[in-house]
Amino acid sequence: DTAVSQTPKYLVTQMGNDKSIKCEQNLGHDTMYWYKQDSKKFLKIMFSYNNKELIINETVPNRFSPKSPDKAHLNLHINSLELGDSAVYFCASSQWVSGELFFGEGSRLTVL
Amino acid sequence: AQSVTQLDSHVSVSEGTPVLLRCNYSSSYSPSLFWYVQHPNKGLQLLLKYTSAATLVKGINGFEAEFKKSETSFHLTKPSAHMSDAAEYFCVVSSDGNKLVFGAGTILRVKS
Repeated sequence: DTAVSQTPKYLVTQMGNDKSIKCEQNLGHDTMYWYKQDSKKFLKIMFSYNNKELIINETVPNRFSPKSPDKAHLNLHINSLELGDSAVYFCASSQWVSGELFFGEGSRLTVL
Repeated sequence: AQSVTQLDSHVSVSEGTPVLLRCNYSSSYSPSLFWYVQHPNKGLQLLLKYTSAATLVKGINGFEAEFKKSETSFHLTKPSAHMSDAAEYFCVVSSDGNKLVFGAGTILRVKS
């Protein structure tokens, strides 16, 4: 059973388009995250939700909008895609303040 | 503020020889420290974590790390490298268990 699953795994799109990435976890965790990994493999947190409430919102352009319909799901919608948005986006989940994150396999976004 | 410095971007060892991946951290509070591993095209997996209990932490796959407060270090070691250990390793610091700060990563290459 996949603990944290993201879809799609690969996404190729044109500049200016809008796209979404979905994430689901079946671990019963109460906290979920979106991380961005750039071409140099640097991993940086974007958002974190605890019990469907936004608790971490790093300096991310407002073109990025996360949505958590319930504790098991955290989706990421991106408007007006730019070349610099090309990266691998990782979803993760954990129990609150445990620090032990379980990651999905990533969604590779390529903006042309 | 907290930060992590991984002192080597690449480490190359021969199979069967010891592994040492170096990490120094900076944190205003008593930190929690983690090592995560990322195999190619995969998500990150927790290897081990330190949360103010024993300073020598044992993780999965034979890895260990020692917390040295006086040196602000949390180096990852393994007595004998295996080919399957080839991956990228991330040292991570957190002061609140929720917001994790990742190092830039160390790519471990294992030669046969």
